[in-house]
Amino acid sequence: AQSVSQHNHHVILSEAASLELGCNYSYGGTVNLFWYVQYPGQHLQLLLKYFSGDPLVKGIKGFEAEFIKSKFSFNLRKPSVQWSDTAEYFCAVNYGGSQGNLIFGKGTKLSVKP
Amino acid sequence: NAGVTQTPKFQVLKTGQSMTLQCAQDMNHEYMSWYRQDPGMGLRLIHYSVGAGITDQGEVPNGYNVSRSTTEDFPLRLLSAAPSQTSVYFCATLRSLAGLGTGELFFGEGSRLTVL
Repeated sequence: AQSVSQHNHHVILSEAASLELGCNYSYGGTVNLFWYVQYPGQHLQLLLKYFSGDPLVKGIKGFEAEFIKSKFSFNLRKPSVQWSDTAEYFCAVNYGGSQGNLIFGKGTKLSVKP
Repeated sequence: NAGVTQTPKFQVLKTGQSMTLQCAQDMNHEYMSWYRQDPGMGLRLIHYSVGAGITDQGEVPNGYNVSRSTTEDFPLRLLSAAPSQTSVYFCATLRSLAGLGTGELFFGEGSRLTVL
């Protein structure tokens, strides 16, 4: 079965620290990749997406992600986190042709200490 | 524009009761879906619809019914609620991107359901 794995359940960082959240997905042919963010008490919002082309994609709020096809990975990075980045982050994969049907990872909770 | 509107935001049910979670969108998106979010489980797809009159099952459809009579509305029905259905439910629509077979999902604010 298709699946998405997020390596860390909870990450705690101090402000200005660098962030990298891991995401791996199972093989399934053509994939479209997403990172969504959920701030406390809010709905999910799209952070960034990869469909094709440059494997390094930039999203909102200084986040970026790199698609490494050979490793089935799509890790999220930010050079310097802020307290306002405290949220839960979800990696999601759409296997080609399945429209809006996403398979989500279990999420990584990020806590940034001021 | 309101985007994706879900009602109610909170609901408490007793086991065996029925209820409908409403989802309405004003973006004219063909694709709509329902996810449930449980702690440590991420989001799991319940049902989806690619257009009015067409619905299909997702990963966890048991205990839920849907219908899609209009483009705007996609209600989720619980016919006989069970404690295992305690969850936060999110409705989502898809802004399709031509030629990709997918696009960007827009989520509603969520409906928190507790079944006692």
